[in-house]
Amino acid sequence: GNSVTQMEGPVTLSEEAFLTINCTYTATGYPSLFWYVQYPGEGLQLLLKATKADDKGSNKGFEATYRKETTSFHLEKGSVQVSDSAVYFCALSDDYKLSFGAGTTVTVRA
Amino acid sequence: GAGVSQSPSNKVTEKGKDVELRCDPISGHTALYWYRQRLGQGLEFLIYFQGNSAPDKSGLPSDRFSAERTGESVSTLTIQRTQQEDSAVYLCASSTGTGGTYGYTFGSGTRLTVV
Repeated sequence: GNSVTQMEGPVTLSEEAFLTINCTYTATGYPSLFWYVQYPGEGLQLLLKATKADDKGSNKGFEATYRKETTSFHLEKGSVQVSDSAVYFCALSDDYKLSFGAGTTVTVRA
Repeated sequence: GAGVSQSPSNKVTEKGKDVELRCDPISGHTALYWYRQRLGQGLEFLIYFQGNSAPDKSGLPSDRFSAERTGESVSTLTIQRTQQEDSAVYLCASSTGTGGTYGYTFGSGTRLTVV
């Protein structure tokens, strides 16, 4: 079945540091891929998405590229801020059902 | 409405009691989903409704769990004879179409604590 494996946290880094959160997937067919973010005390929000191979999703300075050859969708941001502290979830679609990774907690220190 | 609304936001219940959780999807969204998020874990799919089609109940963990939705409106998730392992945040989401391509919009969740 479909599954998502993402980098375990927690991740702690300083402001303006580079952030990478690895995500790999197993799927039949050609799923859409997503990153969701959950800020403290808030609900899950869609951060970015890619619907086909080689697509790059981007939002709020975050980027992720759909790599079919490595079955990956790593999330990156070049210069993080304290406000980026959150839990990040990688997910893939299975027609209508999203399968989520376990989440990576990111803490950015001033 | 503007977003997916869930109520209550928090619920503490005694073991063995029944609870009912409510979800108001975004107006016009035909698809509605329930997920469960246990502390420190990812999201578990529970159930999916799409219009008037038969729901996909494959994620419901036991027959104590049930959900209903009338047409494309409000959904309720009912947990009977609650157990401590039911403690979790229950998330509702809605989408246009199937959501598989474009993703869902989530509500803020109901935090259920069974004592």
